[in-house]
Amino acid sequence: DVKVTQSSRYLVKRTGEKVFLECVQDMDHENMFWYRQDPGLGLRLIYFSYDVKMKEKGDIPEGYSVSREKKERFSLILESASTNQTSMYLCASYPGFNYGYTFGSGTRLTVV
Amino acid sequence: RKEVEQDPGPFNVPEGATVAFNCTYSNSASQSFFWYRQDCRKEPKLLMSVYSSGNEDGRFTAQLNRASQYISLLIRDSKLSDSATYLCVVPRDYKLSFGAGTTVTVRA
Repeated sequence: DVKVTQSSRYLVKRTGEKVFLECVQDMDHENMFWYRQDPGLGLRLIYFSYDVKMKEKGDIPEGYSVSREKKERFSLILESASTNQTSMYLCASYPGFNYGYTFGSGTRLTVV
Repeated sequence: RKEVEQDPGPFNVPEGATVAFNCTYSNSASQSFFWYRQDCRKEPKLLMSVYSSGNEDGRFTAQLNRASQYISLLIRDSKLSDSATYLCVVPRDYKLSFGAGTTVTVRA
């Protein structure tokens, strides 16, 4: 089974801090994604990457950046955390079109 | 119109009942669809893929109506463990678009 591992289940950060969320997958998938999930809003795509060093903005990229230096690792960066970035962050990978995603277990981030 | 729309529910059903709910999508070119299940405070997990007119897996049946652009999920003989939020997912370019989810609660 594909495994997608997110480094932290729970994080508490202060406003203005730079925050790194790490995601690693073990199945050599080219496509990786970062979503955030908020009650009533569902999953919203922040950024995605279809190859090493490639990145594309999703629907809500403002306040975020990403890094993909190696195929298995996709990092989400909050340049200056704000309280409205308090959310559940989900990383996913998948092998290609017409296949489903495999999600990591999520990181619940609280910005205070 | 949203890309993927779902009735949020909640659907409260007794054990053993049949429950069904729909998802509508806007992209008529979509060829494949997915249902995911999400338990409270957990990540979504793939439940079923739908590539043609439908798919059946045990007590779960997914049906696709391309003409009307909706996908349905039917759960027969509901179990307490079926209580979850069910997410409808539609490919969009090289990404997946998620509905906001339908909540199902099965009571004893």
